[in-house]
Amino acid sequence: GAVVSQHPSRVICKSGTSVKIECRSLDFQATTMFWYRQFPKQSLMLMATSNEGSKATYEQGVEKDKFLINHASLTLSTLTVTSAHPEDSSFYICSAKNQGTGYEQYFGPGTRLTVT
Amino acid sequence: GDSVTQMEGPVTLSEEAFLTINCTYTATGYPSLFWYVQYPGEGLQLLLKATKADDKGSNKGFEATYRKETTSFHLEKGSVQVSDSAVYFCALGPRGNEKLTFGTGTRLTIIP
Repeated sequence: GAVVSQHPSRVICKSGTSVKIECRSLDFQATTMFWYRQFPKQSLMLMATSNEGSKATYEQGVEKDKFLINHASLTLSTLTVTSAHPEDSSFYICSAKNQGTGYEQYFGPGTRLTVT
Repeated sequence: GDSVTQMEGPVTLSEEAFLTINCTYTATGYPSLFWYVQYPGEGLQLLLKATKADDKGSNKGFEATYRKETTSFHLEKGSVQVSDSAVYFCALGPRGNEKLTFGTGTRLTIIP
C-alpha cells in the first residue's frame, strides 16, 4: 500500500514550451502533496506544498508563475513548468502525505525533465 | 533555519562490513528525524524514524538513535548486503510542520 506514481518518468521538451507532470496517490487519499526538485548529487529541495482544493504554498525563491501547481482531487496533483528553459532541467519528485499517519510521506519515483 | 548535514559519499564497502553514515542536524524545537533510502530508479522510501530524544528507529537491520545532546542521528548496520546499495538521505521534520529538510544524500555501494 501507500504507492505514489508520477507521469511521465522522463520528458524532453524544447525551450519555451510547457510541460505537465502528474503525481497520483494510488491507494490512499492525500490532502497534502509536496513537490521537490533534486539537482545532481544534491539534496531534495522543497518547491511547494500542495493542498487539495486550495492554492499551493511556494518556498522562498520558487517562481509560482513558472511552476504552476494544481491539486484538484485527493489523489492527483500536477506541476506545470511553463516556458521551460534549459536551467529548468532537473529531477522533479512529488510526495504525498497519507491522512492520519503522522509525518510519513510517500514519494513518487520522480520525473526527469530535460529542456533542450 | 533548519539544516541537515550528512557525510559525503560515495561510500564503498565489502559485503558483511559494518556501516555508519553520519548525520547531524540544526533545528529549532524538537524535530522528528528520518532516514530515507532511494534504490536505483525508484522513489524515496522511509527506512526508519525517531520522534523524540533517545528513541531508536530500526528497520531491515538498520538502526539510528536520536541523540539530542549531540544533535545526531547516525545510521548503522552491522552487516551490509549487496542489496543495500542505494542512496541514503537523512531528514528532519519539525513538529507541527510537515515540511521535510533533507541532507545531501550518501551513495552506498556494497561489493561482493
